[in-house]
Amino acid sequence: LAKTTQPISMDSYEGQEVNITCSHNNIATNDYITWYQQFPSQGPRFIIQGYKTKVTNEVASLFIPADRKSSTLSLPRVSLSDTAVYYCLVGYGYGQNFVFGPGTRLSVLP
Amino acid sequence: EAGVAQSPRYKIIEKRQSVAFWCNPISGHATLYWYQQILGQGPKLLIQFQNNGVVDDSQLPKDRFSAERLKGVDSTLKIQPAKLEDSAVYLCASSLSNSNYGYTFGSGTRLTVV
Repeated sequence: LAKTTQPISMDSYEGQEVNITCSHNNIATNDYITWYQQFPSQGPRFIIQGYKTKVTNEVASLFIPADRKSSTLSLPRVSLSDTAVYYCLVGYGYGQNFVFGPGTRLSVLP
Repeated sequence: EAGVAQSPRYKIIEKRQSVAFWCNPISGHATLYWYQQILGQGPKLLIQFQNNGVVDDSQLPKDRFSAERLKGVDSTLKIQPAKLEDSAVYLCASSLSNSNYGYTFGSGTRLTVV
């Protein structure tokens, strides 16, 4: 299982772009990189998933360098409602192959 | 589409009592998971079902925890007897078979053991 390392917490201001980097030095060839967002009293919510280069959807972008040993979740122009815990997972398939770490607690300030 | 439904939303029990949680996954999702999330930590997988069969229960404390998924749809997770350290949020998630595109989680059941 690929182990991930992310910052424990980050602060930002409304309207700024936020980049959260996750390190996964022992990522395997078949592993995908998946990010989840979790608000208090709710289950995690899928944000984005990628394998290499760049993936973009309506809420975020995911940048993955060629060596795939790290990845960066980019949230454009954050708002107060983006205050949450963000988890980076690395694995293939499902279940036990994806392990949640402690996540990054993002606080967006007015 | 309807999300993953869980009940009850909250539960408070005394240690050594038993408790059961219920989960109804998204229609058509063959894979169902139960996670335990202790305050301040990420979710930890307890058990994974594929239809009504267990795929992985390696982290399920089988001396006190049990789970079933009859008919490959709804699932129940039971704890008997409960310990103080079982206080956590119990999350149910579902996904399409062989999906690499993430799971859909329910809102969870917050269990407090006193």
